[in-house]
Amino acid sequence: EDQVTQSPEALRLQEGESSSLNCSYTVSGLRGLFWYRQDPGKGPEFLFTLYSAGEEKEKERLKATLTKKESFLHITAPKPEDSATYLCAVQAYETSGSRLTFGEGTQLTVNP
Amino acid sequence: DTAVSQTPKYLVTQMGNDKSIKCEQNLGHDTMYWYKQDSKKFLKIMFSYNNKELIINETVPNRFSPKSPDKAHLNLHINSLELGDSAVYFCASSPPRKDGSYNEQFFGPGTRLTVL
Repeated sequence: EDQVTQSPEALRLQEGESSSLNCSYTVSGLRGLFWYRQDPGKGPEFLFTLYSAGEEKEKERLKATLTKKESFLHITAPKPEDSATYLCAVQAYETSGSRLTFGEGTQLTVNP
Repeated sequence: DTAVSQTPKYLVTQMGNDKSIKCEQNLGHDTMYWYKQDSKKFLKIMFSYNNKELIINETVPNRFSPKSPDKAHLNLHINSLELGDSAVYFCASSPPRKDGSYNEQFFGPGTRLTVL
């Protein structure tokens, strides 16, 4: 069974204090790993897809990286508007349809 | 120009009632999904339809029945509601696959269901 574990559960940063969120996964064969951002009362918003170990993607202050066992979401010089829950999800080759298995998320708070 | 929309946004009802949640996407996607997000924010897939055909049917009670009248709509009907059904339900859609790679899913705003 595919499993995704995110850490930490919650993270508080000061504005400008860079850090990383972790997503560890176990899948039979990784088709893709996805990062989403979810604001309170809203649906998840797509950020990145990573397909193979060594791949990196960037968007503004966010950078996602992927190894064979985990992914990191690096946040450089965060701002208060980066506060949200960040969700990681995986899709495996052997799963039917387009199933995503999600982790429980990391709730990020950036204080001004 | 809403991409994935759901109605209603909030639904408060009594135990034992039957209710429906509607979802529509105007992105031209072929695949649509229903997810349940519990109080711990854990998102879990329930159903998926591709071109009106059911392709994912997770282990959910038979009281939950999805219906896709066309590929732009996916509704969720819930019979005999129970307290444990209280959660936020998200609809999502994704475009057709290209070259075997997977395309991202786009989520609606969610429907918060409260069963009293």
